[in-house]
Amino acid sequence: EAGVAQSPRYKIIEKRQSVAFWCNPISGHATLYWYQQILGQGPKLLIQFQNNGVVDDSQLPKDRFSAERLKGVDSTLKIQPAKLEDSAVYLCASNQGGNTIYFGEGSWLTVV
Amino acid sequence: AQSVTQLDSQVPVFEEAPVELRCNYSSSVSVYLFWYVQYPNQGLQLLLKYLSGSTLVKGINGFEAEFNKSQTSFHLRKPSVHISDTAEYFCAVRGNDYKLSFGAGTTVTVRA
Repeated sequence: EAGVAQSPRYKIIEKRQSVAFWCNPISGHATLYWYQQILGQGPKLLIQFQNNGVVDDSQLPKDRFSAERLKGVDSTLKIQPAKLEDSAVYLCASNQGGNTIYFGEGSWLTVV
Repeated sequence: AQSVTQLDSQVPVFEEAPVELRCNYSSSVSVYLFWYVQYPNQGLQLLLKYLSGSTLVKGINGFEAEFNKSQTSFHLRKPSVHISDTAEYFCAVRGNDYKLSFGAGTTVTVRA
């Protein structure tokens, strides 16, 4: 069974530029999450989707971050404009309504 | 809401020695508890989970954890570590909302 796929793995951008990350969850998983992991900290939930609807985006900085999951399968997380403090690993995860949440390899973002 | 506190930020240990990583949680509802491992430049991998039943949970790579409801703890242990166990370890709690809340992580460095 294929795992959670994310791309790109690494991205370096200048502040005020934009960036987009893509995630393809495990086939059949209705719930999709985006987490932000800043160096030295635990992952923090940004947004949770159930199919193509948003369940929780209370921690998403909506002035610069946006996310969508149009067809209830893959998802895109966008940052525009990026700030230095957005440097982090962006982890996508999925769940089928069971007890285990599966994570992708992450997308490493460096804002310079 | 649920939260997790990992009591040790860094744990240096010699190869073949035992290791214990401490985790305390707080929650007003029934919880599900998890330990994840993150190797350098990789995503999160599930080590083990406690859902219900036996309070001693065995996971992959020789790790085990004990759920203690009275002390609200879920400490992770391994009787003999290897160099390859060098990684970041995260304790996480999940309520009925299918959202994981992570601790800040514990860096384990195994030395020969």
